[in-house]
Amino acid sequence: LAKTTQPISMDSYEGQEVNITCSHNNIATNDYITWYQQFPSQGPRFIIQGYKTKVTNEVASLFIPADRKSSTLSLPRVSLSDTAVYYCLVGAALFGGYQKVTFGIGTKLQVIP
Amino acid sequence: GAVVSQHPSWVICKSGTSVKIECRSLDFQATTMFWYRQFPKQSLMLMATSNEGSKATYEQGVEKDKFLINHASLTLSTLTVTSAHPEDSSFYICSASQTSRQRTSGRVYEQYFGPGTRLTVT
Repeated sequence: LAKTTQPISMDSYEGQEVNITCSHNNIATNDYITWYQQFPSQGPRFIIQGYKTKVTNEVASLFIPADRKSSTLSLPRVSLSDTAVYYCLVGAALFGGYQKVTFGIGTKLQVIP
Repeated sequence: GAVVSQHPSWVICKSGTSVKIECRSLDFQATTMFWYRQFPKQSLMLMATSNEGSKATYEQGVEKDKFLINHASLTLSTLTVTSAHPEDSSFYICSASQTSRQRTSGRVYEQYFGPGTRLTVT
């Protein structure tokens, strides 16, 4: 399982774009990159997943360079409700499509009014 | 989207008693479920992988006789904390993976997480 490294914490003002970068130097060919959001006392919630280049959905964008050794989660115009811990996970199916992942420390994002 | 529920959402028990936590996939079948534990201000720690119809696979350092896992059906896995002690107080979270035939979200590999269960042992 590829190890990931993220900043422990970040602060941002409301309305700004936030970029959280994750390093995963040992990413394997079959690995995908997935980001989850977790609020206190809740289970993680899926944000976005990608393999290479750029992926965008209704809440975020994920940028992955060609070497795939890092990825950047971009949150446009954050609001106070985006204050949470964000986890970058790297992994692939072990067998039959079932992904065993290891959570890193995550990035605690604090949005300031 | 796929929904995973947990019951109870919180529980308080006395030291020495056992507590059972249920994890259900509500609208899909989950051959594999995962159990995590999370202490305050820490990340999720994988405890075990629960496979329907077979024995669970425990991570290193997790006592299988203390944390009993039963995955009796494709929609239900249970975690029983036996002879609970105050140090077992934690936030327990389960997750479930869809089988490859059911993935309709376009995401290749995904775990759906439950809301968590707060266990307090007094």
